[in-house]
Amino acid sequence: QVQLQESGPGLVKPSETLSLTCTVSGASISRYCWNCIRQPPGKGLEWIGYSYYNGSTNYNPSLKSRVTISVDTSKNQFSLKLNSVTAADTAVYYCARSIPWFGSMDVWGQGTTVTVSS
Amino acid sequence: EIVLTQSPGTLSLSPGERATLSCRASQSVSSSYLAWYQQKPGQAPRLLIYGASSRAAGIPDRFSGSGSGTDFTLTISRLEPEDFAVYYCQQYGSSPWAFGQGTKVEIK
Repeated sequence: QVQLQESGPGLVKPSETLSLTCTVSGASISRYCWNCIRQPPGKGLEWIGYSYYNGSTNYNPSLKSRVTISVDTSKNQFSLKLNSVTAADTAVYYCARSIPWFGSMDVWGQGTTVTVSS
Repeated sequence: EIVLTQSPGTLSLSPGERATLSCRASQSVSSSYLAWYQQKPGQAPRLLIYGASSRAAGIPDRFSGSGSGTDFTLTISRLEPEDFAVYYCQQYGSSPWAFGQGTKVEIK
């Protein structure tokens, strides 16, 4: 059974970097694309981007200048870094799996809440 | 970028009734790369439909998807109590992937 588990600090200060890690169990990280999605409080879903194990990435242009998603095959983990955060980045952040290169997101983590505040 | 518009915003129905949710794209969705997700409060989204009309593993057959091009529909044939939730469509045929704003199915 494939499971994704997000981890990271629940609170980040404005202008700093938000860092999240998603740990994958029950599946090889080398066979899929690994996505990050976020959901501001009371709002809809926003796709942030994905990374493939070979370093290929695809980012939402609205966040591209601030985002890095990378895969660590040795740890079966992938990570999200979002720099220069503001209060508008406050959201529940999700990890999800998809099949390369055009795949729906069939497995999701439970999500982790990140608040940007001083 | 493809923009997805879902309608209605809220659907008020009773258990046992049929639900029809619409998702309209601003441009044609390549190869029907259109998915539907269900989200309940405090939970992650769950994949229901992919490829516009294929049910994901473990999804009951009362859920069905149809459509192509710019117009897509999710139908729930007979609403069960556990189906009251928010539903999102998502296109993954053209980067950036995008979600609709959601349709809430609430108990009437």
